[in-house]
Amino acid sequence: EAAVTQSPRNKVAVTGGKVTLSCNQTNNHNNMYWYRQDTGHGLRLIHYSYGAGSTEKGDIPDGYKASRPSQENFSLILELATPSQTSVYFCASGDVGGGSSAETLYFGSGTRLTVL
Amino acid sequence: AQSVTQPDARVTVSEGASLQLRCKYSYSGTPYLFWYVQYPRQGLQLLLKYYSGDPVVQGVNGFEAEFSKSNSSFHLRKASVHWSDSAVYFCVLRGNSNNRIFFGDGTQLVVKP
Repeated sequence: EAAVTQSPRNKVAVTGGKVTLSCNQTNNHNNMYWYRQDTGHGLRLIHYSYGAGSTEKGDIPDGYKASRPSQENFSLILELATPSQTSVYFCASGDVGGGSSAETLYFGSGTRLTVL
Repeated sequence: AQSVTQPDARVTVSEGASLQLRCKYSYSGTPYLFWYVQYPRQGLQLLLKYYSGDPVVQGVNGFEAEFSKSNSSFHLRKASVHWSDSAVYFCVLRGNSNNRIFFGDGTQLVVKP
């Protein structure tokens, strides 16, 4: 079964601090995504990747960086965390290459980030 | 423009009752449409998806959805709900000409015992 693991599960950070959210998938999927989920906004795409070494900006990339060092790992980095980045973050991998419209997304369980 | 609308933020039904969760989409071509479910403190999981063929598509756990091009809808149905179906359900649209994914805002389903 497709597996996406996120760490940490919960994180409390201070304003201005650096935060790294990690995601690992054992699906051998090329595509990986980072979303944030906020009440009233549904899921919004932050960054995505089509393979190791590549990252692309999503709909709300400001204040976030992404890193895809390998097929399995995709990190989301907040260099200078702000309270507005308090949210639940989801990582997903996609099972069809090239971002095909038929792609099914497999989600991790989420990271709840609180920035004080 | 592409968009997905789930007009009901919250739906409450009694256990054993039938269910319909509504989804309306806006897309000029033929879209890929998905329903995902999110249980508390978990990520989203695929229930079913549709692109072409029979407009009624079967999913997991007794769920089905019906695509209607004339109504621009993709409503989710279940004949008899169980308390374990309580979750948030997301309708998702993906166009076949680009890589954009559009999530609805979700409908929270509450199943009363």
